[in-house]
Amino acid sequence: QKEVEQDPGPLSVPEGAIVSLNCTYSNSAFQYFMWYRQYSRKGPELLMYTYSSGNKEDGRFTAQVDKSSKYISLFIRDSQPSDSATYLCAIFNSGNTPLVFGKGTRLSVIA
Amino acid sequence: GAVVSQHPSRVICKSGTSVKIECRSLDFQATTMFWYRQFPKKSLMLMATSNEGSKATYEQGVEKDKFLINHASLTLSTLTVTSAHPEDSSFYICSAIQGGDSPLHFGNGTRLTVT
Repeated sequence: QKEVEQDPGPLSVPEGAIVSLNCTYSNSAFQYFMWYRQYSRKGPELLMYTYSSGNKEDGRFTAQVDKSSKYISLFIRDSQPSDSATYLCAIFNSGNTPLVFGKGTRLSVIA
Repeated sequence: GAVVSQHPSRVICKSGTSVKIECRSLDFQATTMFWYRQFPKKSLMLMATSNEGSKATYEQGVEKDKFLINHASLTLSTLTVTSAHPEDSSFYICSAIQGGDSPLHFGNGTRLTVT
């Protein structure tokens, strides 16, 4: 079983829709969870960072972590065409250990 | 927010030459920097972990003599692709972490094309 599983999509939604992106992980020792957005030919941009179970909200974005189920989600409300990108989940244990990335989900928001 | 600057953003070189890519943390001191490689429509592949003042730790399958990493200061790491070949053409991305529980921040990547 891979450490992090993420459906690669592609996912296509109409403008204004609520988008749900998900990852599952296998190692319960992981404590820190991030979501990155990557536009084509650009480096990943940090969207959300959390380290506890529950929800964290930032504007139209909500990150949700369920450590008991080893499941993390990113919700995007009122999706916009500018949200079209690849979304990567990433997790790590602690300290300066490398992140473990999901494969990324390609999202297209259609106007 | 934390800013990581990577330069150049794009480089084209001839086969057999060497290319240096710089990664700087602009507003924080990076105890650790990571170098990734990314193929089209694929996820990030970790190449090496670099700590300031010490030798980089390379992932399995990554040639350390080909991909030279120097982390000379807490704000600068460089990746040199030596004797580049067309198969080295890729998107290289650096990232930096301040330490502890801080999140990882990425540079904007360097697209290398070897002709």
